[in-house]
Amino acid sequence: EAGVAQSPRYKIIEKRQSVAFWCNPISGHATLYWYQQILGQGPKLLIQFQNNGVVDDSQLPKDRFSAERLKGVDSTLKIQPAKLEDSAVYLCASSSTPPGLRGYEQFFGPGTRLTVL
Amino acid sequence: AQKITQTQPGMFVQEKEAVTLDCTYDTSDPSYGLFWYKQPSSGEMIFLIYQGSYDQQNATEGRYSLNFQKARKSANLVISASQLGDSAMYFCAMRNFNKFYFGSGTKLNVKP
Repeated sequence: EAGVAQSPRYKIIEKRQSVAFWCNPISGHATLYWYQQILGQGPKLLIQFQNNGVVDDSQLPKDRFSAERLKGVDSTLKIQPAKLEDSAVYLCASSSTPPGLRGYEQFFGPGTRLTVL
Repeated sequence: AQKITQTQPGMFVQEKEAVTLDCTYDTSDPSYGLFWYKQPSSGEMIFLIYQGSYDQQNATEGRYSLNFQKARKSANLVISASQLGDSAMYFCAMRNFNKFYFGSGTKLNVKP
């Protein structure tokens, strides 16, 4: 079974530029999550999708961040314009519904490390 | 309000010894799930162990066990027989009301 795929793995941009990240979850997983992990901190949930609907985006800075999950499979997270404080690792995860033996275990992708200069 | 609290920013343990990583949580919902993840320096998040709020027994997965004390709202991770490869960040997480919350993590260093 293929894992969660993310691209790119690394991205360096200047402030005020735009950037987009792509995530392909595990096949069949209905729930997809985007997290922001700043160095030395735990992951912070930005947005959670159930199929192609948004379950929770309460911590998404909507003035600059946007995300979509067309057709309930792949997802794209965009930042426009980027700020210095957006430098972080952006993690995508997916989980199945209904839950398995390990509850709603999340499977994480390798992450995208964003550096904003 | 903090949903998940990990009070140990860093810990050291001697190789082959056991270590306990602390985690407390806050929820008013009787239904929730607790998870521990390992994050090595390479950055990937690796699932370690899961405990459901209605599970009667403490969860175990190989060298990992979860000391679940419901009344105290604690879910400590116990790693037995530490190995050098256990050096990493460890995150406690809770699924509650269909949302996930992560703690700030504990950095574990295993000394040879």
